[in-house]
Amino acid sequence: KQEVTQIPAALSVPEGENLVLNCSFTDSAIYNLQWFRQDPGKGLTSLLLIQSSQREQTSGRLNASLDKSSGRSTLYIAASQPGDSATYLCAVSPLKGNAGNMLTFGGGTRLMVKP
Amino acid sequence: NAGVTQTPKFRILKIGQSMTLQCTQDMNHNYMYWYRQDPGMGLKLIYYSVGAGITDKGEVPNGYNVSRSTTEDFPLRLELAAPSQTSVYFCASRGTGVTRNQPQHFGDGTRLSIL
Repeated sequence: KQEVTQIPAALSVPEGENLVLNCSFTDSAIYNLQWFRQDPGKGLTSLLLIQSSQREQTSGRLNASLDKSSGRSTLYIAASQPGDSATYLCAVSPLKGNAGNMLTFGGGTRLMVKP
Repeated sequence: NAGVTQTPKFRILKIGQSMTLQCTQDMNHNYMYWYRQDPGMGLKLIYYSVGAGITDKGEVPNGYNVSRSTTEDFPLRLELAAPSQTSVYFCASRGTGVTRNQPQHFGDGTRLSIL
């Protein structure tokens, strides 16, 4: 059974700092890995989707990498801003037994960027 | 486009009561999902649907039922509510592209308390 882990569970940094969020998964047989942002009281917003054949994806100040063989992904946030404060979740789409294209989620990292 | 719309946003139920959480999407997506998120945890899949008339169980289906009579709507039914079903419920949808690498789109959630 695929398991997804995110460490740390919470992170507090000063504004302007570059930071890295970590995600690990136990089964490398995946279609893709997605990073989501969740604001308090809101749903999830898709940030980046990395296909299994890709090594990284970039969007603005965000860069996500994927090392499928080691079961790891990182989300790099450059020049962090208070508006980046949110919970960040990673999720994988397993290859096996996944006719519904379901996602398996990690527990999330709660990020606070202090002014 | 409204995207994925969930109603109600909040609800308090007594133990043993029943209710239906509504979800509708206007993106003509075939795939729809129901997740629950417990405090500090990631999302767990309850049920999913790959198209009208087709539903299947996810990781935590006990105590829930779903139906999919139209492409747009995917209601989640709780029968005999129990305190363990206190959670935030998210509905999501996903399009059917050329590849399986399509992101899921989420509603804002329904916050349900069972007392």
